[in-house]
Amino acid sequence: QQQVKQSPQSLIVQKGGISIINCAYENTAFDYFPWYQQFPGKGPALLIAIRPDVSEKKEGRFTISFNKSAKQFSLHIMDSQPGDSATYFCAAKTGANNLFFGTGTRLTVIP
Amino acid sequence: DAGITQSPRHKVTETGTPVTLRCHQTENHRYMYWYRQDPGHGLRLIHYSYGVKDTDKGEVSDGYSVSRSKTEDFLLTLESATSSQTSVYFCAIEGPPYGYTFGSGTRLTVV
Repeated sequence: QQQVKQSPQSLIVQKGGISIINCAYENTAFDYFPWYQQFPGKGPALLIAIRPDVSEKKEGRFTISFNKSAKQFSLHIMDSQPGDSATYFCAAKTGANNLFFGTGTRLTVIP
Repeated sequence: DAGITQSPRHKVTETGTPVTLRCHQTENHRYMYWYRQDPGHGLRLIHYSYGVKDTDKGEVSDGYSVSRSKTEDFLLTLESATSSQTSVYFCAIEGPPYGYTFGSGTRLTVV
């Protein structure tokens, strides 16, 4: 059973547009929600992360929005660039040592 | 990826043969993880270690074993490889200081 559900599976955005990826979870014990970016042939790399005591976190063009009551969180990429083309994974973690990943979103930003 | 290397990067093996993948870290992190990545599943935890000789199972541990005799090395062994174990395997360390840092992966094909 997928602990973290991610959508969409793939996303095509024009350069300069906003990319939005959504994730949902059920386990209220999750207390850390990171997003990872993965380029072909590479391992996932931590992009941005949030804890459930805040509703939004912004780092440059990347923003996480977190809705604790709905058990949903999303990644927004503003002014999307071709270099942002990658696979993005949301994840969630409890105090125990397992990071549960979503199934991934392949983002393509077209010039 | 800084501080964590996986070997080999690619391997083709025959069904029924044993296979060992190696993860080496130079960061002296206590926690190390093995994940497998498959289309439609994201990354799933196989085993993890919280110290020398201290390991535990993840969500997809059947058919895999691990060993950690030194802080810097975490080995993943497929005792008798099957075609369902064809995957990309990632090692990760916890940090710095939050989130996970992943290696570049090992692409394993079982024929």
